[in-house]
Amino acid sequence: QSALTQPASVSGSPGQSITISCTGTSDDVGRYRYVSWYQHHPGKAPKLMIYDVTNRPSGVSTRFSGSKSGNTASLTLSGLQAEDEADYYCSSFTSSNTYVFGTGTKVTVL
Amino acid sequence: EVQLVQSGAEVKKPGESLRISCKGSGYTFTTYWISWVRQMPGKGLEWMGRIDPSDSYTKYSPSFQGPVTISADKSISTAYLQWNSLEDSDTAMYYCARLSPPDSYSGSPRYFDYWGQGTLVTVSS
Repeated sequence: QSALTQPASVSGSPGQSITISCTGTSDDVGRYRYVSWYQHHPGKAPKLMIYDVTNRPSGVSTRFSGSKSGNTASLTLSGLQAEDEADYYCSSFTSSNTYVFGTGTKVTVL
Repeated sequence: EVQLVQSGAEVKKPGESLRISCKGSGYTFTTYWISWVRQMPGKGLEWMGRIDPSDSYTKYSPSFQGPVTISADKSISTAYLQWNSLEDSDTAMYYCARLSPPDSYSGSPRYFDYWGQGTLVTVSS
């Protein structure tokens, strides 16, 4: 099972919007609406930001939104803030009844 | 409050055995599957496998089938990750994570809703 493909890094200025892509295959991202996104600050536990492609858990800012088209899912951060600087990972359930993470994207707030 | 509390950092030599733990609290431990996730130094997250604590049924990523064993003791709400013979390449941070309730369509959990704080394992001669 290969990792889902994400850009290594994305950057933006405060207040701007950025989008992180997550490309898989028809056996994972393309097959199910079971794509989730995690924010990971080094040294801390990852935090669930989006589940089932578009849903936000209670307490997660509305500045975070998700979408999917075909084999590619996306996470959009609107109104970028300094606290958003972190690593972001997508994840998907797969047709093998396993789970796969993305390669990870480092978000930098300029 | 749901919590997953992992055991402390470990320093081991190649060839040694190790078992790290993940204790769940604030919820019914047998209702949710537990996964283990590896993060090697400077690298991304990798799903290793999962266990259903109610019956100890496990499912591994093909990349981790064999080198590690996932188990659980539901009487003390604790999941484990075990190595019989560590290698230098096992040096990593290991996280446990609770899987969400299963989806009514697929019958499978879809995401990781709570995470442990991580256990750093260092293997060095």
